[in-house]
Amino acid sequence: KQEVTQIPAALSVPEGENLVLNCSFTDSAIYNLQWFRQDPGKGLTSLLLIQSSQREQTSGRLNASLDKSSGRSTLYIAASQPGDSATYLCAVMDSSYKLIFGSGTRLLVRP
Amino acid sequence: GAVVSQHPSRVICKSGTSVKIECRSLDFQATTMFWYRQFPKQSLMLMATSNEGSKATYEQGVEKDKFLINHASLTLSTLTVTSAHPEDSSFYICSARVSSGENIQYFGAGTRLSVL
Repeated sequence: KQEVTQIPAALSVPEGENLVLNCSFTDSAIYNLQWFRQDPGKGLTSLLLIQSSQREQTSGRLNASLDKSSGRSTLYIAASQPGDSATYLCAVMDSSYKLIFGSGTRLLVRP
Repeated sequence: GAVVSQHPSRVICKSGTSVKIECRSLDFQATTMFWYRQFPKQSLMLMATSNEGSKATYEQGVEKDKFLINHASLTLSTLTVTSAHPEDSSFYICSARVSSGENIQYFGAGTRLSVL
């Protein structure tokens, strides 16, 4: 059974810092891995999607990497801003097209 | 990108009431839709997979008679929480997978259900 783990569970950093969020999964048989942002009480915003054949994706200050063989992904946020404060969720799509989510990392960027 | 509309966004109801939540794919056809539930400060948990024209597939521990799912068309799936109780209070989110085989799910904005 696929399990997705995210570390750390919570993170508080001063504005301007570069930071890394980690995601690991137990079964490497995935179609893709996706990083989402969720603001309190809101739905999901897709940030980056990495297909299983890809190693990384970049969008603005965000960069996500995927090492399928080791079951790991990282989300790198450069020059963090208070507006980046949110919960970041990692999810993998398994062979039946189901998304399995990690428990998330709650990020607070202090001004 | 593809748009998924979920309605209503917020429901407050009395215990024993049944609540229907709609999930629509606005600009694409979706043979498969998914329903997730999220309790406060927890992650999303898949409840069921909704397939157009056939019965939904429920995840282990999810009561199919409690959470009725209907996927009558390629653009609409509904989740009905029957005889809702306070423990059913949660954030429910749907997603839709494009029929063309693209392995991407597009998410609705979610429905917050509060059962008094």
